[in-house]
Amino acid sequence: QKEVEQNSGPLSVPEGAIASLNCTYSDRGSQSFFWYRQYSGKSPELIMFIYSNGDKEDGRFTAQLNKASQYVSLLIRDSQPSDSATYLCAVMGNAGKSTFGDGTTLTVKP
Amino acid sequence: EAQVTQNPRYLITVTGKKLTVTCSQNMNHEYMSWYRQDPGLGLRQIYYSMNVEVTDKGDVPEGYKVSRKEKRNFPLILESPSPNQTSLYFCATGNTGELFFGEGSRLTVL
Repeated sequence: QKEVEQNSGPLSVPEGAIASLNCTYSDRGSQSFFWYRQYSGKSPELIMFIYSNGDKEDGRFTAQLNKASQYVSLLIRDSQPSDSATYLCAVMGNAGKSTFGDGTTLTVKP
Repeated sequence: EAQVTQNPRYLITVTGKKLTVTCSQNMNHEYMSWYRQDPGLGLRQIYYSMNVEVTDKGDVPEGYKVSRKEKRNFPLILESPSPNQTSLYFCATGNTGELFFGEGSRLTVL
C-alpha cells in the first residue's frame, strides 16, 4: 500500500462544475496536508494546506481533512479551463519527511 | 523576488561522470529538500535538510549525496550517475511545511 494514494484519474469535468479530488494516507501520525497544482512542464505550486480536521476554504478551493478516516480532499468550485492540471496531494511529517501522491490529472472542458 | 534557483536546467551526461545540481534560495528558509519526478511514480523525496549541517534521507537516497554548509544552498551530488537516475529533479524550500519549488532540472544519463 502506498503511503499517499490519490484517485488515479484522469478526471474530466465541464466548465463551471465542481471537481472533487481525493487522497488517503497511511501514517496516522501525519500532521500537515497539502495540495499542489502542477501544470504540464512546470514545477508544483502550493494551492492549499490544512492542519486541522474540517474544511478550509480559499476562494474557489476547499480542502477537507478527516484524520479519523485518514482522508484529505480538494474541491474546486466553478471549475475553469485554467484549472486543468495535475493535482498532487502531499503529507508532511514532523521531522521534515514529505510524501506525495502520484497525482490526479484534471481536465476542465469549455 | 523570492526564488529557488536550480542549475543546470537541462543536462545530458554519461554513466559515471560526477555531476552536481545546485539549488539556491533567497527566502531565508531553514528547510530544503530534493525530489525526483518520474512518470507513474510521482514526486519522491531524495534528501532533505531541516537546518544548516543537518541532512536526512528521504525515500530514494541511493546514488545521491547532499551537503548543507550554508542556509541558502543545498547541492545535489551524483558521484557516479547511472541511467536509472535519468529524471526530472526539483529542489524545494519552506518554513512550515509549505514548499516552494525550483523550476526543475531535467537530467539524462546515457
